[in-house]
Amino acid sequence: DTGVSQDPRHKITKRGQNVTFRCDPISEHNRLYWYRQTLGQGPEFLTYFQNEAQLEKSRLLSDRFSAERPKGSFSTLEIQRTEQGDSAMYLCASSLNRGDTEAFFGQGTRLTVV
Amino acid sequence: QKEVEQDPGPLSVPEGAIVSLNCTYSNSAFQYFMWYRQYSRKGPELLMYTYSSGNKEDGRFTAQVDKSSKYISLFIRDSQPSDSATYLCAMSDQAGTALIFGKGTTLSVSS
Repeated sequence: DTGVSQDPRHKITKRGQNVTFRCDPISEHNRLYWYRQTLGQGPEFLTYFQNEAQLEKSRLLSDRFSAERPKGSFSTLEIQRTEQGDSAMYLCASSLNRGDTEAFFGQGTRLTVV
Repeated sequence: QKEVEQDPGPLSVPEGAIVSLNCTYSNSAFQYFMWYRQYSRKGPELLMYTYSSGNKEDGRFTAQVDKSSKYISLFIRDSQPSDSATYLCAMSDQAGTALIFGKGTTLSVSS
């Protein structure tokens, strides 16, 4: 499968615990994006990388959130001290860095904080 | 006012109907417009991508962008039960940057 891959698909955690999600983009794509989607809403932008550089962060990305893309390939999104409000689908997307901007999404990681 | 407005529906149509889905936006800097289809508990799937104004057709799908009215549309011809999903519009002002999504419209096509 050459699409965007996310792991795990589902995560249930207790409030206050830390969680980490992984995203593997399409292999030749150098841009990688993280979005969050809650029920009944469209995805909301969190952050994006060009290669290993984090170029933009949304104000939604509080201090408890951190994202990395250390070698410009896969990325991780960590949430520290999870809260019930963090329950959502976390989506990763990737694209090429050129004039057209089609972004392709993975299947997402569904987080439930209990 | 949100940057991108989309009627959440739900929209119910019989099989074979022509479906019209729409979004309005407020940021005149938006130049890149996309439509995604999302099935329940799955990631969004890119359907159509349009740069600036005009029409684009791909099979049963036609995307229209009217920048003067800040209005975009997706038309689905000969709708099928398999088209039942949530349709999300998305847009950005620069290539490869953050996409701003609408809330999505839930479509149900009955056989």
